Amino acid sequence: EPEVTQTPSHQVTQMGQEVILRCVPISNHLYFYWYRQILGQKVEFLVSFYNNEISEKSEIFDDQFSVERPDGSNFTLKIRSTKLEDSAMYFCASRMTEVYEQYFGPGTRLTVT
Amino acid sequence: KNQVEQSPQSLIILEGKNCTLQCNYTVSPFSNLRWYKQDTGRGPVSLTIMTFSENTKSNGRYTATLDADTKQSSLHITASQLSDSASYICVVSAKGGGNKLTFGTGTQLKVEL
Repeated sequence: EPEVTQTPSHQVTQMGQEVILRCVPISNHLYFYWYRQILGQKVEFLVSFYNNEISEKSEIFDDQFSVERPDGSNFTLKIRSTKLEDSAMYFCASRMTEVYEQYFGPGTRLTVT
Repeated sequence: KNQVEQSPQSLIILEGKNCTLQCNYTVSPFSNLRWYKQDTGRGPVSLTIMTFSENTKSNGRYTATLDADTKQSSLHITASQLSDSASYICVVSAKGGGNKLTFGTGTQLKVEL
């Protein structure tokens, strides 16, 4: 069964460094999402992406964040200058169309020291 | 502001017993309501999804109900198993905007021998 994959599973970085989290959505899906979950808190929406552009973003998704679909398979989340409070689990999700279920990847645990 | 509240926050039950988890939401305009199961350190996995016109849906030992008038949902787990130990998250989708998901804080369920 097709699934969303994410790499790396765990990323440790120093404050101020740039990180890129990678996701490979399910191949025939058209809508892509990033969510984050700070330890012990609920999952929060970051951004949705469709037709090579951002369709919606939350207040969390500030200028430090960017997303890109550099080729036909990868979907990346970049954090330009990481802060301690960016430490969280980051989930990628994809969906075929608006009416279909979102499928989540296993997540990348980002630790900023 | 769209919100999803869940109760109880945590629950411990004996293997083989049934339990019911509750969800209240204030999401508008309502599109659909989902229940997800999230194992520790993993991405959420969909259990059920219900639209406005559906008031019950089953998936094996999981049965979800929806009362769109009172904006309440429940997830009933029958004959619990040790593998049911996880966080159960109620997620509500609003119409438009790529169907952005609003997550509840989850109910942490532990099934014991």
